[in-house]
Amino acid sequence: NAGVTQTPKFQVLKTGQSMTLQCAQDMNHEYMSWYRQDPGMGLRLIHYSVGAGITDQGEVPNGYNVSRSTTEDFPLRLLSAAPSQTSVYFCASTGYNYGYTFGSGTRLTVV
Amino acid sequence: AQSVSQHNHHVILSEAASLELGCNYSYGGTVNLFWYVQYPGQHLQLLLKYFSGDPLVKGIKGFEAEFIKSKFSFNLRKPSVQWSDTAEYFCAVTGSARQLTFGSGTQLTVLP
Repeated sequence: NAGVTQTPKFQVLKTGQSMTLQCAQDMNHEYMSWYRQDPGMGLRLIHYSVGAGITDQGEVPNGYNVSRSTTEDFPLRLLSAAPSQTSVYFCASTGYNYGYTFGSGTRLTVV
Repeated sequence: AQSVSQHNHHVILSEAASLELGCNYSYGGTVNLFWYVQYPGQHLQLLLKYFSGDPLVKGIKGFEAEFIKSKFSFNLRKPSVQWSDTAEYFCAVTGSARQLTFGSGTQLTVLP
């Protein structure tokens, strides 16, 4: 099925550990983005990309890195996890028609 | 930069009651407006969207929304809610770029 695939679905990290959240889409969408969802704050944009090789910061980029080497993949890296990064992370993609497709989310806990 | 306000944080209704969730946005240019729903433990699903044309937009599951440009509003409505509508609802906006900006969400609880 066409869509956005996120892995892993759940992850527990210790403070200071690093990890990569994976996001892949098979719809040939140019635009991809990462959001974090926290209670009472909605979804906030972390980073986004308008095409391979092009990334930019969103509202809450600190502590996160991204790269976009292919159209399909947009991984999110946590370099040194902190408890404040405990959240649910969603990846989304869209073409020029603004038809956003969301992944099923990654629930991350940093202890 | 655009912003979105959802003033109702938690709404509790009985089945068959009518629903209206408020959404106000701030943006100086042409906007695209969206309502998403998130059922417990699931990802966001699109309810409806407005790009241009008829300001009254009909979506899935009997939901509709009205774009009132003069009030910068895009309120979500449903004439008669069901227990299965219990979920969190998010209003979102894009401007000239494709970044979606979300409101803080409204938790709807429908009592059977």
